[in-house]
Amino acid sequence: AQSVTQLDSHVSVSEGTPVLLRCNYSSSYSPSLFWYVQHPNKGLQLLLKYTSAATLVKGINGFEAEFKKSETSFHLTKPSAHMSDAAEYFCVVSALYNQGGKLIFGQGTELSVKP
Amino acid sequence: DTGVSQDPRHKITKRGQNVTFRCDPISEHNRLYWYRQTLGQGPEFLTYFQNEAQLEKSRLLSDRFSAERPKGSFSTLEIQRTEQGDSAMYLCASSTSSGAASGNTIYFGEGSWLTVV
Repeated sequence: AQSVTQLDSHVSVSEGTPVLLRCNYSSSYSPSLFWYVQHPNKGLQLLLKYTSAATLVKGINGFEAEFKKSETSFHLTKPSAHMSDAAEYFCVVSALYNQGGKLIFGQGTELSVKP
Repeated sequence: DTGVSQDPRHKITKRGQNVTFRCDPISEHNRLYWYRQTLGQGPEFLTYFQNEAQLEKSRLLSDRFSAERPKGSFSTLEIQRTEQGDSAMYLCASSTSSGAASGNTIYFGEGSWLTVV
């Protein structure tokens, strides 16, 4: 079965410093991987996705993620945090087509940004 | 493109009452998903539809829960005899026919918050 593990439940950074949110995945096949962001009392917004093309994926708002098959990782980074980045971030893996192509979510990482 | 819309956004109900949530997916999307999210947790899959056919139900979807998508457009999620443990946000999402398996984007609504008192 497919799964993701987000290694930190909470990350705190200062504004202007780099962000690193860690995610490891488990899958018996080459997965599609996603990062979604959720601001308080809001729905989920797609940040970026990996679909077996380039291993370094660029997303919205300056975020990037690198797919590393040897490490089964898909960490999310941003060079410089902004106050508006404070939110909950979810690493997500897709199920196979014959399993509904649904999304399987990690537990989430709460990002706090200090002024 | 008006996005995925959900109604109501918030619902407070007494234990034992029935509640119904509605989801209107993006118009050209034939796949529709329901998820449940509790505080501090990631969303958990409940069920999904391909057009009007309900193709999978999670074990989380007890017999008090029922979902329909009668004409392959909007969907409803009904919870009968609500319990306090049903308090959560119910998220609806939609996508094209293969879902995320081929890297397609699944688009989420803003969710319907349920509080059972």
